[in-house]
Amino acid sequence: DVKVTQSSRYLVKRTGEKVFLECVQDMDHENMFWYRQDPGLGLRLIYFSYDVKMKEKGDIPEGYSVSREKKERFSLILESASTNQTSMYLCASSSLVGRSNDGQFFGPGTRLTVL
Amino acid sequence: SQKIEQNSEALNIQEGKTATLTCNYTNYSPAYLQWYRQDPGRGPVFLLLIRENEKEKRKERLKVTFDTTLKQSLFHITASQPADSATYLCALYYLSGNTPLVFGKGTRLSVIA
Repeated sequence: DVKVTQSSRYLVKRTGEKVFLECVQDMDHENMFWYRQDPGLGLRLIYFSYDVKMKEKGDIPEGYSVSREKKERFSLILESASTNQTSMYLCASSSLVGRSNDGQFFGPGTRLTVL
Repeated sequence: SQKIEQNSEALNIQEGKTATLTCNYTNYSPAYLQWYRQDPGRGPVFLLLIRENEKEKRKERLKVTFDTTLKQSLFHITASQPADSATYLCALYYLSGNTPLVFGKGTRLSVIA
């Protein structure tokens, strides 16, 4: 069964801390994505990656960075956590466009609270 | 920029009826459109994908239509059950550039027994 795993389901951090959210997929997908989801705002794309060591900014990259050193792993980094980064963070992966009739596969999410 | 509207935030229907959810978009048509299901506190789950040259796609009790003239997709769940209660998201993909999926905000469906 295909799987996207995220390092934590729940995380509580303090303002100013550096936060690492890890995502691993076992489907050999080229594409990986990080979203945040907030009530009334829907899914918003933070960063995505089409290949190892490649990254592209999404709609709301400010305050975040990413790392993709290996194909299966995509990390989201909050350089200095702030309270407005309290949110549900979702990682997803997908195969290259046109290669399949599948969509994106999402992880279970990490609910991050910044105090 | 592209705008996606899902007909309503919430939809209540009686068990056994057909639920119909709407996804409208502006500007140019996507290469394909996807539908996802999301349960509270969980990540979305991919359901169906329909390409711009396809009018209709079915999977068990699910049916999706795609009308590029109306700039609209309809998502139907026939013989709905309380277990179908969830939020349903539509997402659009455009071939131009490295643009990823654009998601709608979703419609929360409640199937009442």
